[in-house]
Amino acid sequence: DIQMTQSPSSLSASVGDRVTITCRASQSIGNYLNWYQQKPGKAPKLLIYAASSFQSGVPSRFSGSGSGTDFTLTISSLQPEDFATYYCQQSYNTLALTFGGGTKVEIQ
Amino acid sequence: QVQLQESGPGLVKPSQTLSLTCTVSGGSISSGSYHWSWIRQAAGKGPEWIGRIYTTGSTNYNPSLKSRVTISVDTSKNQFSLNLTSVTAADTAVYYCARNARIMGPTIVVSAFDFWGQGTTVTVSS
Repeated sequence: DIQMTQSPSSLSASVGDRVTITCRASQSIGNYLNWYQQKPGKAPKLLIYAASSFQSGVPSRFSGSGSGTDFTLTISSLQPEDFATYYCQQSYNTLALTFGGGTKVEIQ
Repeated sequence: QVQLQESGPGLVKPSQTLSLTCTVSGGSISSGSYHWSWIRQAAGKGPEWIGRIYTTGSTNYNPSLKSRVTISVDTSKNQFSLNLTSVTAADTAVYYCARNARIMGPTIVVSAFDFWGQGTTVTVSS
């Protein structure tokens, strides 16, 4: 299986801060990388697919970049509704889809 | 707008079989080129993909669970189901059903989970 490792596992930030979350794949996955946002008690929500493309309705303060093994999710100016846990997911191997362990973004 | 809803027992005894059903509304489960997946999430952990089914009945399973998992589809009821045998406490989790779509990116087509159910908590305990 392709292992997905996220860092940091949690971070504290303030409204208006720029936040960067990293995801590393155990092997090269091209651009086959998706990002999800999950709020407590809710299902994950697709934010970004193919490493950098926005799902419909996602605010432009979110952006994704990277290819191969290293990927980044950036929130340019953190808003109150962005406090949540973020997960990356690879779709390079569609017979064994895997997620990262998550990054929890908390209020400082 | 597609909606998914999980249903099934919230408590299963060790060694028994966990059975869940996902009902799809707002569209036919047979329309479009979608797979339909089961995903679970233990407390404080990242999601774990269990497996998926296409409307033809073709399935793919997570290799780590393959020996215990069966996913089936009933297109007449717009439902798909999960059976997980020989459960232990390690199978305690929130179980989600989700639509697995092929989405066109700038240069590639990726597989992503674009619609999810609300999740159902399953506890394995005697």
